[in-house]
Amino acid sequence: ETGVTQSPTHLIKTRGQQVTLRCSSQSGHNTVSWYQQALGQGPQFIFQYYREEENGRGNFPPRFSGLQFPNYSSELNVNALELDDSALYLCASLDRGRTGELFFGEGSRLTVL
Amino acid sequence: AQTVTQSQPEMSVQEAETVTLSCTYDTSESNYYLFWYKQPPSRQMILVIRQEAYKQQNATENRFSVNFQKAAKSFSLKISDSQLGDTAMYFCAFSRGSGGSNYKLTFGKGTLLTVNP
Repeated sequence: ETGVTQSPTHLIKTRGQQVTLRCSSQSGHNTVSWYQQALGQGPQFIFQYYREEENGRGNFPPRFSGLQFPNYSSELNVNALELDDSALYLCASLDRGRTGELFFGEGSRLTVL
Repeated sequence: AQTVTQSQPEMSVQEAETVTLSCTYDTSESNYYLFWYKQPPSRQMILVIRQEAYKQQNATENRFSVNFQKAAKSFSLKISDSQLGDTAMYFCAFSRGSGGSNYKLTFGKGTLLTVNP
């Protein structure tokens, strides 16, 4: 069974630009969540998608948005990038049925200049 | 709102020795889950161990065990026979449980554990 994969692994953007990060969830997992991990901090919950609908959101502004597709893959979009958006963005898919365990990808490292 | 506090930013231990990482949390929920995740330099979060709050018995996974003190809201991780591969950032995390957005994890700031040869 394939794990959670994220792309790109690294990217550099400038302030004001827009970015799209992608995530393929683990096979059979219909729930995907996104986390932002600033340097030296623990991950912070951005939002969760279940069956293509947003199903919970953390304390992030509307310029953070997402999508989930019928194959359960997901995108995180961030508009009007700010310097503080520089972070590791982690995607996690949920084994909702068996154990409730989250399986994480290796993340996308975003640098905003 | 739930909070998770890890008071030890860094710790080190000699190979084969035992180390304990501390975590406290605050919640008004009665049903919840606690987790320890490991994040090595590869960046991928890996679940080490989980504890359901309604279970009084402390969880164990091979060399990893927890000391769950529900009244004190304390959840420490003990690593026995430390190995070089245990070197990583360790995060304590909380979730309200199953169903809806209750799967959301609240993480502490982490403890960087270094295992020395």
